[in-house]
Amino acid sequence: DAKTTQPTSMDCAEGRAANLPCNHSTISGNEYVYWYRQIHSQGPQYIIHGLKNNETNEMASLIITEDRKSSTLILPHATLRDTAVYYCIVRVAGLSSGTYKYIFGTGTRLKVLA
Amino acid sequence: DAGVTQSPTHLIKTRGQQVTLRCSPISGHKSVSWYQQVLGQGPQFIFQYYEKEERGRGNFPDRFSARQFPNYSSELNVNALLLGDSALYLCASSLAVTYNEQFFGPGTRLTVL
Repeated sequence: DAKTTQPTSMDCAEGRAANLPCNHSTISGNEYVYWYRQIHSQGPQYIIHGLKNNETNEMASLIITEDRKSSTLILPHATLRDTAVYYCIVRVAGLSSGTYKYIFGTGTRLKVLA
Repeated sequence: DAGVTQSPTHLIKTRGQQVTLRCSPISGHKSVSWYQQVLGQGPQFIFQYYEKEERGRGNFPDRFSARQFPNYSSELNVNALLLGDSALYLCASSLAVTYNEQFFGPGTRLTVL
């Protein structure tokens, strides 16, 4: 059922951009890509989502390749508080019309270094 | 504004027992989803409910069931507990099934001995 693959861990210097890649080569045309992060066993926190176009909000930017087989989450100026596990998720249509499943990957553990 | 709340925070059960976990969504949110997160892994989707109807189901055995009440709160039931059911159970709410952002609660930590 896995739809995404991510590196297990990454380090980033404080103040620098953190670029987190995700592979979703089997994604279908109407399936969205979401990013969430989870800080130390708290509930995951929504970051951003996209379908085809690149997206930007106050937290991050999402770059989706033209073939939609991969994407990159960019935290433009990483801080120590951005240390967390980052999940790339695909929202998959369920068997019945109007139903969905959210398929989490194994996540990337990002460590921001002072 | 109150976020998603879950109860209890922690729970210890023995094999074969049954457990009920509770979730209250953010006010105004009509959709609730349940996830299981085993230590060291990403959350696994169990159920999604909207307007008291099941709208999504993950690959979990029939020992897992859920329901949503008229006030949009939800319960997750697990029967005949196994050691492998030990996990953090997360509830997430959203305005509707197709609404993009899900808000997660802090979870219920279930330990099965």
